[in-house]
Amino acid sequence: AAGVIQSPRHLIKEKRETATLKCYPIPRHDTVYWYQQGPGQDPQFLISFYEKMQSDKGSIPDRFSAQQFSDYHSELNMSSLELGDSALYFCASSLVAGGTNEQYFGPGTRLTVT
Amino acid sequence: GDSVTQMEGPVTLSEEAFLTINCTYTATGYPSLFWYVQYPGEGLQLLLKATKADDKGSNKGFEATYRKETTSFHLEKGSVQVSDSAVYFCALTYTGTASKLTFGTGTRLQVTL
Repeated sequence: AAGVIQSPRHLIKEKRETATLKCYPIPRHDTVYWYQQGPGQDPQFLISFYEKMQSDKGSIPDRFSAQQFSDYHSELNMSSLELGDSALYFCASSLVAGGTNEQYFGPGTRLTVT
Repeated sequence: GDSVTQMEGPVTLSEEAFLTINCTYTATGYPSLFWYVQYPGEGLQLLLKATKADDKGSNKGFEATYRKETTSFHLEKGSVQVSDSAVYFCALTYTGTASKLTFGTGTRLQVTL
């Protein structure tokens, strides 16, 4: 079965640089979520999109922005990177309309800021 | 707001031992409950789910029952294997709405021979 695809899997950036993370949800899923996971921590919700519209916002810094495109893939843009942004970034997708909203996660992007 | 509380780890067990990881929740509505597993260096995998009271979710020998009266969703397995070593997250969300997952802090399980 098709899974959530994230790219790149690993990313190394320097402070103050910009990064773009991509997410391709499971086909026919209508909702995408972004989470950030620090070392030894549980995932923290950043932002979500339902049918290409932002549906909820969590603890996402103003330096970060995201969108969902017409083909349902999503991108998380991170600017003015800081050392503290080093983390695993997960995308998850789910079917909300007529579904149970069970969320399936991608393999994650490991971002290292030096 | 919503919250999930898990027993603290790490939990260390010998192979074939019985596993229980406690999970309780506080919710403003009627949530669906999940267990996710994260193996080292990997993403989160959905292990099992329950969407209403008294539902039992099960997968790969793991079970958890949605107990509304005690607001609990404890994870159990009768006989653990070394390959079960991972971090286990209890989580809740809501059906019918684009609702985020609220996670517990995770419990690390280490199974030894």
